[in-house]
Amino acid sequence: GIQVEQSPPDLILQEGANSTLRCNFSDSVNNLQWFHQNPWGQLINLFYIPSGTKQNGRLSATTVATERYSLLYISSSQTTDSGVYFCAVEETSGSRLTFGEGTQLTVNP
Amino acid sequence: NAGVMQNPRHLVRRRGQEARLRCSPMKGHSHVYWYRQLPEEGLKFMVYLQKENIIDESGMPKERFSAEFPKEGPSILRIQQVVRGDSAAYFCASSPVVGLNEKLFFGSGTQLSVL
Repeated sequence: GIQVEQSPPDLILQEGANSTLRCNFSDSVNNLQWFHQNPWGQLINLFYIPSGTKQNGRLSATTVATERYSLLYISSSQTTDSGVYFCAVEETSGSRLTFGEGTQLTVNP
Repeated sequence: NAGVMQNPRHLVRRRGQEARLRCSPMKGHSHVYWYRQLPEEGLKFMVYLQKENIIDESGMPKERFSAEFPKEGPSILRIQQVVRGDSAAYFCASSPVVGLNEKLFFGSGTQLSVL
């Protein structure tokens, strides 16, 4: 099956800093989504982004499908951004999302 | 329009008991996905169901686990004779159509603890 690798595994920031999270995948995909799992365990869908660039407030994401990677940008980070960020992809032959292992983000005040 | 609803939120079982986890999809959604998250790990696909049909169960353990999505009522993930290794968060998600060509929304999960 498809492999999804996220980097870095852990990231610690001071409030106000910017960051870039990366997701590499091993095969062609139909779709790619970014999720934020907050400290209470809730999964929040941030972006559906099989290709191109999208922005939502301080967050933006870019997927370059031909080069098999996606980036999630967080600007002016806040303590409420803390949690785990997951990238998930759907293989062209599949009908389910395969998740990466996540990036654990801690934003300190 | 309520989101994906899962219950119970927390479930405690002793080894050997049965666990039944419920998932009510979003209104109008007829496709349900179950995922398991072990501590400190990502989400692992378990099963994909459509009303009254199992479409893909390639992620389900071969024994003790079963899932259903009846014509009426919620989807049920059933774990028989639970063991400590079954302790995990179980999430479900739903979609209105075949394929995942839009955002997938998850429920709040059921945290299963096996004593």
